[in-house]
Amino acid sequence: DVKVTQSSRYLVKRTGEKVFLECVQDMDHENMFWYRQDPGLGLRLIYFSYDVKMKEKGDIPEGYSVSREKKERFSLILESASTNQTSMYLCASSLPDLLTYNEQFFGPGTRLTVL
Amino acid sequence: SQELEQSPQSLIVQEGKNLTINCTSSKTLYGLYWYKQKYGEGLIFLMMLQKGGEEKSHEKITAKLDEKKQQSSLHITASQPSHAGIYLCGADIQDNYGQNFVFGPGTRLSVLP
Repeated sequence: DVKVTQSSRYLVKRTGEKVFLECVQDMDHENMFWYRQDPGLGLRLIYFSYDVKMKEKGDIPEGYSVSREKKERFSLILESASTNQTSMYLCASSLPDLLTYNEQFFGPGTRLTVL
Repeated sequence: SQELEQSPQSLIVQEGKNLTINCTSSKTLYGLYWYKQKYGEGLIFLMMLQKGGEEKSHEKITAKLDEKKQQSSLHITASQPSHAGIYLCGADIQDNYGQNFVFGPGTRLSVLP
């Protein structure tokens, strides 16, 4: 079974803090994704990566950056956390597919609260 | 506006009742995926539909794809409390920028014992 793990289930940070969200997958997947989920808005793609050191902006990259130094690990970074970044963050991975990002396997999510 | 709309936004049913959730696309669909999320947890992939008229079942959950209407329906028979959660549809669509993958806003299902 594919396993996608995220470093924290719950996280509380203060405005202006630097926040790291870590995601690790154990199935040697090339593609990895970071989403945020907000009520009524569904999932929105922040960044994705299709290979080590490669990254692409998703729909809402502002205020975020990512790092993919190793194939199994994809980190989401909030350089200076703000209250509007309070959300549920979901990481996913999938096999490579040039045209679509289907059959994604999701981690359990990290619920981040920024005070 | 979102490319994928889901209805209803939320649903409360009594245990044992049947229910249907719809997902409608405003763009051409190439593949439709259903996911379930338990409250506060990650997503679970349920099933994928690719061809018009295709119907798939998993335990008491059946999903159909109507390509002409650009719509998919998820039907749960004899609902149980374990069915409670948020149901998300995702789709491969064709938009002005090429092929893209998008999610719907989700349908929150509560099942009363």
